[in-house]
Amino acid sequence: DGGITQSPKYLFRKEGQNVTLSCEQNLNHDAMYWYRQDPGQGLRLIYYSQIVNDFQKGDIAEGYSVSREKKESFPLTVTSAQKNPTAFYLCASSMGTSGNDEQFFGPGTRLTVL
Amino acid sequence: AQTVTQSQPEMSVQEAETVTLSCTYDTSESDYYLFWYKQPPSRQMILVIRQEAYKQQNATENRFSVNFQKAAKSFSLKISDSQLGDAAMYFCAYRSANNNDMRFGAGTRLTVKP
Repeated sequence: DGGITQSPKYLFRKEGQNVTLSCEQNLNHDAMYWYRQDPGQGLRLIYYSQIVNDFQKGDIAEGYSVSREKKESFPLTVTSAQKNPTAFYLCASSMGTSGNDEQFFGPGTRLTVL
Repeated sequence: AQTVTQSQPEMSVQEAETVTLSCTYDTSESDYYLFWYKQPPSRQMILVIRQEAYKQQNATENRFSVNFQKAAKSFSLKISDSQLGDAAMYFCAYRSANNNDMRFGAGTRLTVKP
């Protein structure tokens, strides 16, 4: 089955620790995205990548880092510099970067920093 | 920057009835795309319907249709013959035709009463 997988579904970390969220897609999509979702708010873009070895900051990139070494993988690292990391994180991918390209979403990872 | 506003944090509808969710947006661009996404309790984001700004005809997908008023910058979603499975958070989203900038509204929580 084609799709996007995110692991783990729930993640707990102590304050001050870096943590990496996994996102894998087997849709052969060029573009991948990371969003953050907080209660009462819509999704906000953290980072996106249009092609392997390239990525761009979104609206709320501070305290986060990404890599895109393989087409199918786009991991997100939440660093200790992120002031309020507890949130729901969604990964998405699209065939291209045209505005008409549908973004397909993964099931999300709920990160809780204790 | 473009903004998307959903003025109804919560809505409810009786099963089999019709409900309309509101969305307005602010942009100076003429070429863009609009989307409605559904997020059920599983939190998986699912595309419901999309509209190209250059098309005057309102998009329709089975029981879901939109009322796109470009001059008024309004993009409402109508759900006909509401079903229990329609209960979810609904997000309106705007995407520029020129870049990867996707903006989401804060969402409307729809409850369907049996």
